[in-house]
Amino acid sequence: KAGVTQTPRYLIKTRGQQVTLSCSPISGHRSVSWYQQTPGQGLQFLFEYFSETQRNKGNFPGRFSGRQFSNSRSEMNVSTLELGDSALYLCASSLQGAGEKLFFGSGTQLSVL
Amino acid sequence: EDQVTQSPEALRLQEGESSSLNCSYTVSGLRGLFWYRQDPGKGPEFLFTLYSAGEEKEKERLKATLTKKESFLHITAPKPEDSATYLCAVQATGANSKLTFGKGITLSVRP
Repeated sequence: KAGVTQTPRYLIKTRGQQVTLSCSPISGHRSVSWYQQTPGQGLQFLFEYFSETQRNKGNFPGRFSGRQFSNSRSEMNVSTLELGDSALYLCASSLQGAGEKLFFGSGTQLSVL
Repeated sequence: EDQVTQSPEALRLQEGESSSLNCSYTVSGLRGLFWYRQDPGKGPEFLFTLYSAGEEKEKERLKATLTKKESFLHITAPKPEDSATYLCAVQATGANSKLTFGKGITLSVRP
C-alpha cells in the first residue's frame, strides 16, 4: 500500500512569489491535514480537509489556503511569500480524521530567499 | 487553548541506559494523546494513542503511560536505532478538533 506522497520534495522561492504544494493521501483516506514544521515553533496545524470541505483551520494568515479534490488529493497554496514561511510542510492523511492516527508524508522543504 | 510541553528538549543516552521522556499537557477535555517518532528528513511516524488516565501501551522497548496532566514515554535499554525526535500531541474533545503538538524531544543513543 503506497504511503502519503508529497511533491515537490524541495522548493526554493523568493519573497513575494506564490507556491503550490501537492499531497496524495493513502488510498481510501478521506481526511487530509497540513502542518508547518519549524525548529522554533515545532509542528503547527494549518488546516484539515475531509471530502473536499475544509473542516478545521489553524491560526495562520489568509495567505495560506488549501483545497481537496474529489479523489482526496490535496493542494496548499501560499501567496506573497515571506522569509518566515521557510519551513517543512507536512501533509497527513487518515480515514476519518478526528481521533485517528495520522500517516505523514516526508514533507516539502520550502526555502524563501 | 490547548498546550503541550515536552521535556527535556534533548537527551543523550548510552546504549542500554533506560530513561523517560515527559509530555505535560493542558486541554479542555482529552479525546486522545498521541506519540510519534520522527527521523531526520522524514515525516512523523505513529507510535501510540492513549485515551484515559491510567492507560499504558507498549511496543518493543517503548512504553507510554498517561495521567490527567502528563504522559511519559519510557525507553528501556535503548539502542542506537532508537535515536530520533519524539513528538507528543493532544486532541481535545469536540467535533473536528485539531491536533496540538509539542516541540519534540531529540533523543540520541550512543553505542
